[in-house]
Amino acid sequence: QVQLQESGPGLVKPSETLSLTCTFSGGSINGNYYTWIRQPPGKGLEWIGNIYYNGNTKYNPSLKSRVSISVDTSKKQFYLTLTSLTAADTAVYYCVNSPWGPYYFDYWGQGTLVTVSS
Amino acid sequence: DIQMTQSPSTVSASVGDRVTITCRASQTISPWSAWYQQKPGKAPKLLIHRTSILESGVPSRFSGSGSGTEFTLTISSLQPDDFATYYCQQYNTYPWTFAQGTKVEI
Repeated sequence: QVQLQESGPGLVKPSETLSLTCTFSGGSINGNYYTWIRQPPGKGLEWIGNIYYNGNTKYNPSLKSRVSISVDTSKKQFYLTLTSLTAADTAVYYCVNSPWGPYYFDYWGQGTLVTVSS
Repeated sequence: DIQMTQSPSTVSASVGDRVTITCRASQTISPWSAWYQQKPGKAPKLLIHRTSILESGVPSRFSGSGSGTEFTLTISSLQPDDFATYYCQQYNTYPWTFAQGTKVEI
């Protein structure tokens, strides 16, 4: 059974950079897409972007200038970097995956709450 | 971006009720829609993809339908475990987008 686990800081200061890691287990990381989705407290879901295992990426244009997603297949991990943080970036960040492509999401991490505050 | 709008935002229902949630897209996305269920403090759970394909293990009281720009999620007989928030998603055009959600409450 595929499992995803996010890790990273729970509190980040405004203007700083957020770095999150997602560790993938229970299957092969190769041949799959890996996605980051976030959810501000009490609000809906926002697709941040995805990465194919070979490194090809797609980003949400609303975040494109600030976001980067990367993958390390040897460690079975993929990463999210988000720069120039503001309070609007406060959210639960989920790493997600599906064996069927980048389109919809079967497997979700538990989510990690990131608060942007001084 | 394709805008997704769900209605109603909240539905008050009782066990055994039939519940229908509607999702409208700002342009044609058919058949590339999915539905998720989310309970408080938990990650969303995929219920349906490609408008009407039920995920393995999802009870048959859930069903999806629609075409073009309008899609529905129907719960034929609401059960206690179904009280949650439901989201639709389009994956016709990047960036994938979600609607704002519908809370099903007692």
